[in-house]
Amino acid sequence: TQLLEQSPQFLSIQEGENLTVYCNSSSVFSSLQWYRQEPGEGPVLLVTVVTGGEVKKLKRLTFQFGDARKDSSLHITAAQPGDTGLYLCAGGGGSNYKLTFGKGTLLTMNP
Amino acid sequence: DAGVIQSPRHEVTEMGQEVTLRCKPISGHNSLFWYRQTMMRGLELLIYFNNNVPIDDSGMPEDRFSAKMPNASFSTLKIQPSEPRDSAVYFCASSLGRIGEQYFGPGTRLTVT
Repeated sequence: TQLLEQSPQFLSIQEGENLTVYCNSSSVFSSLQWYRQEPGEGPVLLVTVVTGGEVKKLKRLTFQFGDARKDSSLHITAAQPGDTGLYLCAGGGGSNYKLTFGKGTLLTMNP
Repeated sequence: DAGVIQSPRHEVTEMGQEVTLRCKPISGHNSLFWYRQTMMRGLELLIYFNNNVPIDDSGMPEDRFSAKMPNASFSTLKIQPSEPRDSAVYFCASSLGRIGEQYFGPGTRLTVT
């Protein structure tokens, strides 16, 4: 069974701070996706990475896939209130259909 | 373009009653997934279909749960009889299936009392 562990589970920051969340596994994935979920809504896809070592940027968000395709990180620069939510990573296996989701990192902002 | 549509958005029912959740995937997508999300377990895959055929139902908790996809534009998840421990948010997602990028509906929040 493939498992993805996300850390930290909860993260509370001040506006303008930088942060990194992690997604780790002992299994190799053919692709790794990051989703963001807001309260009362479904997860929304942010990015897909498929190549070991790949780095993708989405405005202030930087996503990296580990060289061995077992882990990934999401870095947010100068966090804004609109960045809050549950960040989920999901790994795709050889079937390309089924995703294994981590339990997520809940990002909140201190008032 | 319409995204994944789920109905109802909220369902409150009593233990023992039958519950049917509905999903309309994005037009042209060939894979459909049903998930359940709780605080304790996170997002769990219940079942997925490819080209309307169930491929993997190993996540379905027990025989009380069943899912159908009679055509490419409609799927149902049925719980009969429902129990309080089934209370959760149920999501439907669809994808083109090439690299597994999934598009989620808004979810159905189920409360069984």
